[in-house]
Amino acid sequence: GENVEQHPSTLSVQEGDSAVIKCTYSDSASNYFPWYKQELGKRPQLIIDIRSNVGEKKDQRIAVTLNKTAKHFSLHITETQPEDSAVYFCAALISGGSYIPTFGRGTSLIVHP
Amino acid sequence: SQTIHQWPATLVQPVGSPLSLECTVEGTSNPNLYWYRQAAGRGLQLLFYSVGIGQISSEVPQNLSASRPQDRQFILSSKKLLLSDSGFYLCAWSVREGKAFFGQGTRLTVV
Repeated sequence: GENVEQHPSTLSVQEGDSAVIKCTYSDSASNYFPWYKQELGKRPQLIIDIRSNVGEKKDQRIAVTLNKTAKHFSLHITETQPEDSAVYFCAALISGGSYIPTFGRGTSLIVHP
Repeated sequence: SQTIHQWPATLVQPVGSPLSLECTVEGTSNPNLYWYRQAAGRGLQLLFYSVGIGQISSEVPQNLSASRPQDRQFILSSKKLLLSDSGFYLCAWSVREGKAFFGQGTRLTVV
């Protein structure tokens, strides 16, 4: 089955800095890679996703990149703000196939004012 | 639009008592349904998933069970709770294109 590794487990940055979270996956058939943000005590919510037919996707201050050859994908947050503080989860799955997501273990992002 | 309802939001139960958590989805048909557990500060542990009515796959052997009596209803149960069952339980659903959506979660404390 799929295995998703996520690093780092904790990331501490100053407000305004950039943050990068990296994930690797094992199943070359995976073709859909969503990212979720979970604020303290709340549910995870989808913030951005990327499909295997593109290499990069941006949405304002967040972007995701995908390297299919190396089987890794990353979340980039620029100009971080305190409200970006949360746990971020990456996932990989086969869209149109079993579509059962395999999640990374999560990254706790702390943005210091 | 699709919505997911999960209840209750908070639950305190004594050791050895039964458990029933319910989740219902609206606005979609034949979704995949999932139950996850999250210990404090930890990742998402997949407990059960279902690809259709009556079809349940268990990822972790334990004293919990799941049932899907209707297409858009998913129930997590236990006959006798353990202290180690405490955690944040999340129901989720997804469809073929891959996006998953989570319920509000149930914070279970077993005392």
